[in-house]
Amino acid sequence: AQSVAQPEDQVNVAEGNPLTVKCTYSVSGNPYLFWYVQYPNRGLQFLLKYITGDNLVKGSYGFEAEFNKSQTSFHLKKPSALVSDSALYFCAVRDTKAGGSYIPTFGRGTSLIVHP
Amino acid sequence: DTGVSQDPRHKITKRGQNVTFRCDPISEHNRLYWYRQTLGQGPEFLTYFQNEAQLEKSRLLSDRFSAERPKGSFSTLEIQRTEQGDSAMYLCASSPPGTAYEKLFFGSGTQLSVL
Repeated sequence: AQSVAQPEDQVNVAEGNPLTVKCTYSVSGNPYLFWYVQYPNRGLQFLLKYITGDNLVKGSYGFEAEFNKSQTSFHLKKPSALVSDSALYFCAVRDTKAGGSYIPTFGRGTSLIVHP
Repeated sequence: DTGVSQDPRHKITKRGQNVTFRCDPISEHNRLYWYRQTLGQGPEFLTYFQNEAQLEKSRLLSDRFSAERPKGSFSTLEIQRTEQGDSAMYLCASSPPGTAYEKLFFGSGTQLSVL
């Protein structure tokens, strides 16, 4: 079975500082990994994905994520946080094991708060 | 791209009543997903359609829940005999045909409150 863990319920960072939102995963085969963002009263919006290749993936709004197979992690990062980045962030994983489904499993989310 | 549309945005009902939600996916998307999200939790998978075929159902989907996608376009999710524990945001998502690593496009959700 596939699963995702987001160990921090909330991350606080000052505007202009770098941010990291952590994610670890568990799959049987190789993972497809995703980050989504959710603003209040809105659905989730796709930020970026890792499928294969370069471990550093760049996405929307200046976000990037680093895939680390040995640590089974896919942490979301941004060099300089903006107040407007404040939102809920969800990590998701899909296993690539033969016979698996198309269904991504989501973590419980991390609330990012960027202080002015 | 008009996005994924969900109706209604909010639904308040009394315990024991039936409710039905509608999802209109992006027009060329053949895959459709229903998730449920409660406060402080991530989206939990409920069911998945590829075209009109319901290919996967979560064990969360009790016999009070039923979903359809009759013509492979819009989908409905019905909850019969609602319970207070059904109160949640119900999210619909769609994705285009192709590879399994396509991103999901989410609607804004239907917030259900069962009194």
